[in-house]
Amino acid sequence: EVQLVESGGGLVQPGGSLRLSCAASAFTFSSYAMSWVRQAPGKGLEWVSAISASGGTTYYADSVKGRFTISRDNSKNTLYLQMNSLRAEDTAVYYCAKFGSSWSVEDRFDYWGQGTLVTVSS
Amino acid sequence: ERVMTQSPATLSVSPGERATLSCRASQSVSSNLAWYQQKPGQALRLLIYGASTRATGIPARFSGSGSGTEFTLTISSLQSEDFAVYYCQQYNNWPYSFGQGTKLEIK
Repeated sequence: EVQLVESGGGLVQPGGSLRLSCAASAFTFSSYAMSWVRQAPGKGLEWVSAISASGGTTYYADSVKGRFTISRDNSKNTLYLQMNSLRAEDTAVYYCAKFGSSWSVEDRFDYWGQGTLVTVSS
Repeated sequence: ERVMTQSPATLSVSPGERATLSCRASQSVSSNLAWYQQKPGQALRLLIYGASTRATGIPARFSGSGSGTEFTLTISSLQSEDFAVYYCQQYNNWPYSFGQGTKLEIK
């Protein structure tokens, strides 16, 4: 069964940095675009970033553009999110999600991880 | 940016009854609309994509309809495990966007 396991969350001060990882298994990782979605405490879902299967094309929400960088290592079946200049409003559970069709980013998310909590506070 | 609006925010329904959840897009998203279910402590679950196609393993009591700007998720006969929060999401235009969610609770 497809598994997505996020890690790297924690408590960080405003202005600090954090790198999230998402380890994928049970599917051909290099054939699928991937994404990060976050959920602030008690709030709804917010799409954050996406990356093509090859890693050559990336997409960002305006709220994180210039501060966050998505990347992937297809040899390690791992997705990353480098988060810099963190703000209190970045506090959320961060989920990685797999796009449903191979090679496409114009698609639903068919599998999600359980999430990792990022708390930005002094 | 497409703004997705779900209604109602909370829906109280008795087990065995039908539940109808709505999702409206600020501009057309064609049929590029998905529905997800969220339960505490569990991974989000894809229910419907393409506005009306059930995802793998989703029971037939879940159905989706609509296109353009108006969409509906219907659960025909509520089971205890269906009480959760439901989100719609458009994947027609970047940035992909979600509705604010509908909490389906037991009446």
